[in-house]
Amino acid sequence: AQKITQTQPGMFVQEKEAVTLDCTYDTSDPSYGLFWYKQPSSGEMIFLIYQGSYDQQNATEGRYSLNFQKARKSANLVISASQLGDSAMYFCAMREPYYNQGGKLIFGQGTELSVKP
Amino acid sequence: DTAVSQTPKYLVTQMGNDKSIKCEQNLGHDTMYWYKQDSKKFLKIMFSYNNKELIINETVPNRFSPKSPDKAHLNLHINSLELGDSAVYFCASSQAETTYNYEQYFGPGTRLTVT
Repeated sequence: AQKITQTQPGMFVQEKEAVTLDCTYDTSDPSYGLFWYKQPSSGEMIFLIYQGSYDQQNATEGRYSLNFQKARKSANLVISASQLGDSAMYFCAMREPYYNQGGKLIFGQGTELSVKP
Repeated sequence: DTAVSQTPKYLVTQMGNDKSIKCEQNLGHDTMYWYKQDSKKFLKIMFSYNNKELIINETVPNRFSPKSPDKAHLNLHINSLELGDSAVYFCASSQAETTYNYEQYFGPGTRLTVT
């Protein structure tokens, strides 16, 4: 069965420093997508970055990058130059093809990131 | 324009009541979802619809009944509300359910409190 694990319930980082949020996954399907979402205290879910299982290069979106290590089944989110506005809950999620579980997103437990001034 | 909208944003009601949450997306997506976020912030799929057809029903109690009048709308009706139903309910939509490489766009969430 598919599973997403985020082992860091809470993280602190100093403003302007980089931080890595860990995510490991488990699936037997060779085709899948990995996503990171941000949930600030206001509650909305904001899509940050996507990595496909066949993508050769790590995904990057501005200050966000995804450190994809397929053999280790890990998809860590790296936030460079942290800002106060990065303080939020971060969720790692996986999606498999439609024929398997209908394309639903499976979420990890989340990591609460706090950026210190 | 809001891509995925939900109403109401907050819903406070008593045990035993029946309530509905509405969701609309203007992205032209074929697939819509309901997720539940519990008090520990854990997000779990409840239902998925593709072009008005139910695709996923993730062992949700029968008191929960989704309804999709058209592919832009997916409503959630809850009968006989219980204390344990208190949660944040998110609607989401996505393009092309047959692939896995499209992100899902989430609505703002509906915080349901059952007293």
